Amino acid sequence: SAVISQKPSRDICQRGTSLTIQCQVDSQVTMMFWYRQQPGQSLTLIATANQGSEATYESGFVIDKFPISRPNLTFSTLTVSNMSPEDSSIYLCSVEEGGGYTFGSGTRLTVV
Amino acid sequence: SQKIEQNSEALNIQEGKTATLTCNYTNYSPAYLQWYRQDPGRGPVFLLLIRENEKEKRKERLKVTFDTTLKQSLFHITASQPADSATYLCALSGGGADGLTFGKGTHLIIQP
Repeated sequence: SAVISQKPSRDICQRGTSLTIQCQVDSQVTMMFWYRQQPGQSLTLIATANQGSEATYESGFVIDKFPISRPNLTFSTLTVSNMSPEDSSIYLCSVEEGGGYTFGSGTRLTVV
Repeated sequence: SQKIEQNSEALNIQEGKTATLTCNYTNYSPAYLQWYRQDPGRGPVFLLLIRENEKEKRKERLKVTFDTTLKQSLFHITASQPADSATYLCALSGGGADGLTFGKGTHLIIQP
């Protein structure tokens, strides 16, 4: 199965700043998915990133807050912009493989 | 709106017994139902996928059932071991590569 490298693994950021999370896959994939896991909650899909096109955002998530890049078939970034303490979460990227999904180990973000 | 409920936040089972976890959903007609294992500080790991036209799927000590009439899946771990202790997540997808909708998970504790 695919191996996903996600970084940073954790960060503590000041409110009002932005953080870019990187996700590298060891094989070419058409779609990459970004999720958020808030404390005590389950994973919520933020957006789907296709190479060469705009990302598709789920209800409640907007491009200005969570801009996504997908420059090639093995890499994607998610930026959390103008952060507030409510953005403190674990952010995970994921790829689909034959029905099941493989996840990165996540980025634990704390906004102070 | 779509809703996924997993039977309990925590489940304690004696080692060697069968652990049974429940996933119920509403307002959804999934093409696939999937189960994932998540350990603290890690991303979810794919365990099993079952399609809407399948009743049961097995993999080693794991068994999943899927009842689309009851809108319910049962996840069984037989001959449970302390190493099976983790959070188990139920997830639904509509097919294709459209991302997953997750339940909140059940924290399973296998006691020696």
